[in-house]
Amino acid sequence: AQSVAQPEDQVNVAEGNPLTVKCTYSVSGNPYLFWYVQYPNRGLQFLLKYITGDNLVKGSYGFEAEFNKSQTSFHLKKPSALVSDSALYFCAVRDIMYSSASKIIFGSGTRLSIRP
Amino acid sequence: GAVVSQHPSRVICKSGTSVKIECRSLDFQATTMFWYRQFPKKSLMLMATSNEGSKATYEQGVEKDKFLINHASLTLSTLTVTSAHPEDSSFYICSARYQGGTGELFFGEGSRLTVL
Repeated sequence: AQSVAQPEDQVNVAEGNPLTVKCTYSVSGNPYLFWYVQYPNRGLQFLLKYITGDNLVKGSYGFEAEFNKSQTSFHLKKPSALVSDSALYFCAVRDIMYSSASKIIFGSGTRLSIRP
Repeated sequence: GAVVSQHPSRVICKSGTSVKIECRSLDFQATTMFWYRQFPKKSLMLMATSNEGSKATYEQGVEKDKFLINHASLTLSTLTVTSAHPEDSSFYICSARYQGGTGELFFGEGSRLTVL
């Protein structure tokens, strides 16, 4: 069975400081990993993904994430936070045993709050 | 590309009536779409997997007779909440799998259902 955990309900960061939103996962095989962002009363927007290759993945809006196989983690990072980054962030995992019916499982979400 | 449109964005209905929510992939074909329900504490609950031309696959605990899903074409899936009750009030989000890539999901903007 696959699962994903986001241990922090909320992360508070001052504008201009680096930010990290944590994610750990569990899959039976190799994972596809994703980060999504949700603004209030909106759907989820795709930020970035890890499939294979370089462990550091760059995505939208200056975000990046680092895949760490030994720690089964895929933390989201940004060098310098903006107030507009304040939103709800979801980590997601999909087992690499690809089929059209395979599901993407989402973490519980982390609310990121950037103070001016 | 990879735009998913969801309609209506907000709907208010009386208890006992039925409500239909549409999910369309605008610029790609989606053989698989997913319906989620988001609760106030932010977590996303996968309700069902909608497969074009076949019956939907429901997650455990989701009443298939109450939440009717139809995926009649490669670009349209519908969720009908039948005989709605106040406890069905929620934010419903659809997503579609982009077949051309590694299977990341693209989400609609969500539909806020309020049952009076």
